[in-house]
Formats: sequence, structure tokens, C-alpha cells
Amino acid sequence: AQRVTQPEKLLSVFKGAPVELKCNYSYSGSPELFWYVQYSRQRLQLLLRHISRESIKGFTADLNKGETSFHLKKPFAQEEDSAMYYCALKVEGAQKLVFGQGTRLTINP
Amino acid sequence: GAGVSQSPSNKVTEKGKDVELRCDPISGHTALYWYRQRLGQGLEFLIYFQGNSAPDKSGLPSDRFSAERTGESVSTLTIQRTQQEDSAVYLCASSSRTGGYGYTFGSGTRLTVV
Repeated sequence: AQRVTQPEKLLSVFKGAPVELKCNYSYSGSPELFWYVQYSRQRLQLLLRHISRESIKGFTADLNKGETSFHLKKPFAQEEDSAMYYCALKVEGAQKLVFGQGTRLTINP
Repeated sequence: GAGVSQSPSNKVTEKGKDVELRCDPISGHTALYWYRQRLGQGLEFLIYFQGNSAPDKSGLPSDRFSAERTGESVSTLTIQRTQQEDSAVYLCASSSRTGGYGYTFGSGTRLTVV
């Protein structure tokens, strides 16, 4: 079965430091990967998806099929990045997403 | 509508009662999904509707759970004979047909079974 693993439940870094949120998946086919974010008292929203190869709010994520990873990175963290982050996998031929457990990111001033 | 709307936003119910949760997707989104999020846990897939096709019910945890959707409009998730372990936030999302642009989520219904 497909699975998404986010090994860190909590991650705390200082403002201005680099941040990396880890995401690994298990799926033998061609995956589509997404990162979703939930800021305090807001609804879950799409941050970025791997097929668009975009940078959103300074965040990037590269799909590494060899390592089956899709880590989310930002070179200089900002306080407003504090939120819950979820990695999600969409498999070929299906519409439903499989989510990881989430990582709560806290940026300290 | 402009976004995915869920109601009620909060629901407290007594164990054994039935509850109905409602989701109004974005107009034109053919796909609709229900997820459950227990406290401190990730999102657990429940059910998925795509247009008039048969729904994917593979995530429903028991026969106490059911969901309906008429065409591409509102969906209701019904939980019969609620149990304390049903307490969670129930999230609804919708997407375009392929889902390749990701989901748009509602703000959820927080269900508390006492």
C-alpha cells in the first residue's frame, strides 16, 4: 500500500536559519507529490506540487525518485512560516491523496 | 461558491446518536473527498466522489459511516450510533476532475462525542 512518512512530528528552528521538512513515500509507480500547509486558525491549503517545479513563499521541494523523497526546503526561515505541514502523494489513475502525519514547524525569533 | 463550505463547524453529540455533516464544494469541481483527522494525527481518507461514477468508499472505517452526493453538488457524511472514537475533525475537499492541481479544503467540522 502507498504510504507517506514524515519522520519529524515537531521541528523548531531559529529565524533566518535554513529549514528542511522531510517526506518519504512508498510507491512503485510514477507519483505526484504535494505539500500542504495549515497556518494557525486557517484551513489546510496547497503550498506546492512537484510537477510545477515552483517556489512558493521561498519554499522548494524536489522529487527524488531514487530516494523516494520529497523534502521541503527554505534557505532562510521566517516567523510567519510557523505552521503545520503535510506531505501528500497521489498515485497514477487515482484522485485521492495519501497524507503523511504532518510536521509542526515552529520558527523562533 | 467561492470556497468549500462545511457545516456545522462544531458539533457535540451524545454517544449513540446519529450525526450528519455537510459539504458544499466549489462550483464546477467534479471531485469531492472526505477525510478524518484525529487529534495529533494525519488525514485519514474516508470516501471520494467523482461526478456520477460509483464512489470510492474504501476508507470508510465501519458500516456506521456513509456518505451521499447528488451529481456534482452538496455531499453529506452520516455517522450512525456515534462512538467516542469518532471524535475528530472531518474535512471535506473538492478538486477538478483530474485532481492534478491539488485539493481545496473546507474548514472542517469538529465532532465531539461525549
